[in-house]
Amino acid sequence: GAVVSQHPSWVICKSGTSVKIECRSLDFQATTMFWYRQFPKQSLMLMATSNEGSKATYEQGVEKDKFLINHASLTLSTLTVTSAHPEDSSFYICSAAENLGFPDTQYFGPGTRLTVL
Amino acid sequence: AQSVTQPDIHITVSEGASLELRCNYSYGATPYLFWYVQSPGQGLQLLLKYFSGDTLVQGIKGFEAEFKRSQSSFNLRKPSVHWSDAAEYFCAVGANYGQNFVFGPGTRLSVLP
Repeated sequence: GAVVSQHPSWVICKSGTSVKIECRSLDFQATTMFWYRQFPKQSLMLMATSNEGSKATYEQGVEKDKFLINHASLTLSTLTVTSAHPEDSSFYICSAAENLGFPDTQYFGPGTRLTVL
Repeated sequence: AQSVTQPDIHITVSEGASLELRCNYSYGATPYLFWYVQSPGQGLQLLLKYFSGDTLVQGIKGFEAEFKRSQSSFNLRKPSVHWSDAAEYFCAVGANYGQNFVFGPGTRLSVLP
């Protein structure tokens, strides 16, 4: 089946620094990728929708200047958490949908655990 | 707006016992319904999905789910649970991916030996 990878799987950083998380579709092309945030013992909350070659669409309440998303190719999207603070500590998950459109399966990455000290 | 509830936060069953995880949804039209499983270190994996047709859907790993429109439910079942089924299970409903794709709060399944 299709595979989505995320790198790194976990990261610890100091407050005020920036962290970049990569999401790659390994064996298929994904015009659209999604970024989710998951708090402990809670569900996934959509942060933004990332389309290749265009600006990401952010959900209400998500700071686009803090969470920078770049979707430079059909297999790579990146999420950069800028000037990270402890409240940004969370589990970040990406997903990628195949180009055939809904309701084709979307595939999830394993997630990235971010801890900001 | 669509919403999903999973009444059980945590369920514990003995290995070999049957399992039913509940999912209720609110949606204005015929929903697309999904069940995902999340294991530590792994991405969410699709167990099964319902779009139309037969209301009893078979999925991977021996799971099945039944769509009941009258009850707005899409409960997940497995006749005999294995220790490897211990994980977090999410029900989801959507008309499209992204903004119109909503996950339930999840049910954590523990399996006793």
